[in-house]
Amino acid sequence: SAVISQKPSRDICQRGTSLTIQCQVDSQVTMMFWYRQQPGQSLTLIATANQGSEATYESGFVIDKFPISRPNLTFSTLTVSNMSPEDSSIYLCSVEPDRGEKLFFGSGTQLSVL
Amino acid sequence: QQPVQSPQAVILREGEDAVINCSSSKALYSVHWYRQKHGEAPVFLMILLKGGEQKGHEKISASFNEKKQQSSLYLTASQLSYSGTYFCGTVTGANNLFFGTGTRLTVIP
Repeated sequence: SAVISQKPSRDICQRGTSLTIQCQVDSQVTMMFWYRQQPGQSLTLIATANQGSEATYESGFVIDKFPISRPNLTFSTLTVSNMSPEDSSIYLCSVEPDRGEKLFFGSGTQLSVL
Repeated sequence: QQPVQSPQAVILREGEDAVINCSSSKALYSVHWYRQKHGEAPVFLMILLKGGEQKGHEKISASFNEKKQQSSLYLTASQLSYSGTYFCGTVTGANNLFFGTGTRLTVIP
């Protein structure tokens, strides 16, 4: 299993600013992911955070907008850059301690952009 | 490559049964099922691997038809605690998990 601490839990930001979300895991994990969940919608995979190399982004997501760091096997950050109201969503960190097995999720960051 | 779930929403009375379907356009290696309650993170229910197996978890079970690229979640004798949004998650060749469109389940007394 894995216990994930994600912060901040929520934030209200101004258009054009950036927010960095942190994800800390209580054990070393190889696979760490970032998802976005827009209001009333499903979870959309943003990227896989790779330790020691650039993140792997899914279609529709780019590094300039969502830079990700993964300095070690227990920590990652996601930055939402140059925010607009369309970025208002819940952002979730997720880990897969055992490849091919279940995902564990952080409690999410609810972002509102004014 | 988002899997499609049906129905989108369902309302049950306590004790009734429901089936939630998940269909993918791509070949699947495995299917996950998660439940998310309002304001909370998704919680894992079960994984089904290739081979058409069926799994159970209390009164919740699921099947996986690899040839049809479909999975179904069966909820029997529903309880109030079953309310939430159910998501299937599919793993294809890329090995990452993509979540389905979701099914909102409401159980009423």
